[in-house]
Amino acid sequence: DAKTTQPPSMDCAEGRAANLPCNHSTISGNEYVYWYRQIHSQGPQYIIHGLKNNETNEMASLIITEDRKSSTLILPHATLRDTAVYYCIVRVVADTSGTYKYIFGTGTRLKVLA
Amino acid sequence: DTGVSQNPRHKITKRGQNVTFRCDPISEHNRLYWYRQTLGQGPEFLTYFQNEAQLEKSRLLSDRFSAERPKGSFSTLEIQRTEQGDSAMYLCASSLGHYNEQFFGPGTRLTVL
Repeated sequence: DAKTTQPPSMDCAEGRAANLPCNHSTISGNEYVYWYRQIHSQGPQYIIHGLKNNETNEMASLIITEDRKSSTLILPHATLRDTAVYYCIVRVVADTSGTYKYIFGTGTRLKVLA
Repeated sequence: DTGVSQNPRHKITKRGQNVTFRCDPISEHNRLYWYRQTLGQGPEFLTYFQNEAQLEKSRLLSDRFSAERPKGSFSTLEIQRTEQGDSAMYLCASSLGHYNEQFFGPGTRLTVL
């Protein structure tokens, strides 16, 4: 079962910041939050991940609340090419080898408007 | 392009036929994962390999499904006696070690008529 909940859809004006929320209230202390996006008919693309500190890379920023029960992905200047389904994922341990697997939810469909 | 590749990209088959998909991971990645994605849903984990060893299989992976990674490089996913409910996108991903992010291929879209 998915460990995250996201709004099904959002719109954002081109050039503005897109703020995508995610709830993960049952996350465990050692479980990371990952964000991927999927453009139509392509495989998911990695964006960013974090545990408890805020993170930033060339694509986005990730803000995680202090209690770790929710997070927000920020695309600082959305472009039309950012139109995609964005998945907030909790990475869980798959087995005793320590390998991880992703539990995807249904994601947020972001539409960037010209 | 040195990313994850999958073949074929599309497969249409009749119910009851067998199909096989191939995944070529990023060359140095030792972990390989298979996911299935149906329309409007996020990907669902099916199984994964550490080198050639298959270490976990989801309950979604019925007896009709089998996956191999014989030399720890490419992997195949075979579905026997396909059913209409098998219609989905089958995604492959790979990672360098268990700690690193997974990189996904473009997927194979299966349609069972």
